[in-house]
Amino acid sequence: GAGVSQSPRYKVAKRGQDVALRCDPISGHVSLFWYQQALGQGPEFLTYFQNEAQLDKSGLPSDRFFAERPEGSVSTLKIQRTQQEDSAVYLCASSGGTSGGLEQFFGPGTRLTVL
Amino acid sequence: RKEVEQDPGPFNVPEGATVAFNCTYSNSASQSFFWYRQDCRKEPKLLMSVYSSGNEDGRFTAQLNRASQYISLLIRDSKLSDSATYLCAVRTDSSYKLIFGSGTRLLVRP
Repeated sequence: GAGVSQSPRYKVAKRGQDVALRCDPISGHVSLFWYQQALGQGPEFLTYFQNEAQLDKSGLPSDRFFAERPEGSVSTLKIQRTQQEDSAVYLCASSGGTSGGLEQFFGPGTRLTVL
Repeated sequence: RKEVEQDPGPFNVPEGATVAFNCTYSNSASQSFFWYRQDCRKEPKLLMSVYSSGNEDGRFTAQLNRASQYISLLIRDSKLSDSATYLCAVRTDSSYKLIFGSGTRLLVRP
């Protein structure tokens, strides 16, 4: 079956521009996660949804970052007034259990470059 | 000190070699453990979960040492296609998020 998909795969933004990154989780998966991965580092947690509820946003680095999942399926990560330090790969992952305890499967990521 | 630490490598081994990586974690409340494989410019792919009793999947063996707070991954009979970065990840029951190490790079040469 289809895995997690993300779009766009690549995004170049000018500093100060707003961007929106989309994630389509595996069909039926309840839990959805966003991670940020800098070059040479492991993914770092940003936020977690169970269905449409955002249960944890402790990893969002600033109030310029906002995520939503209004219908409990597709999710959007929005970054306002992008800065150069926002350049990274943004990974979305989904898992099937309501506890979020099952293995997480990752999408291909969106590579964001802020000039 | 980072919550999950890995030797960045690279580990450069010949085909057919056996290689082992360790990953240490600092939070004693960690309950679930995973190994992911990540190829260059690709997403992490789940390699295996790590169970308390240890588990094996073909050439790959994962073990957990709770007393010393580390997990290990052993790869036997290395193939060229095993060349990748291996990420360990831990999760506490109180939080669903995964905490990743920075990864260990493996290069398998002919």
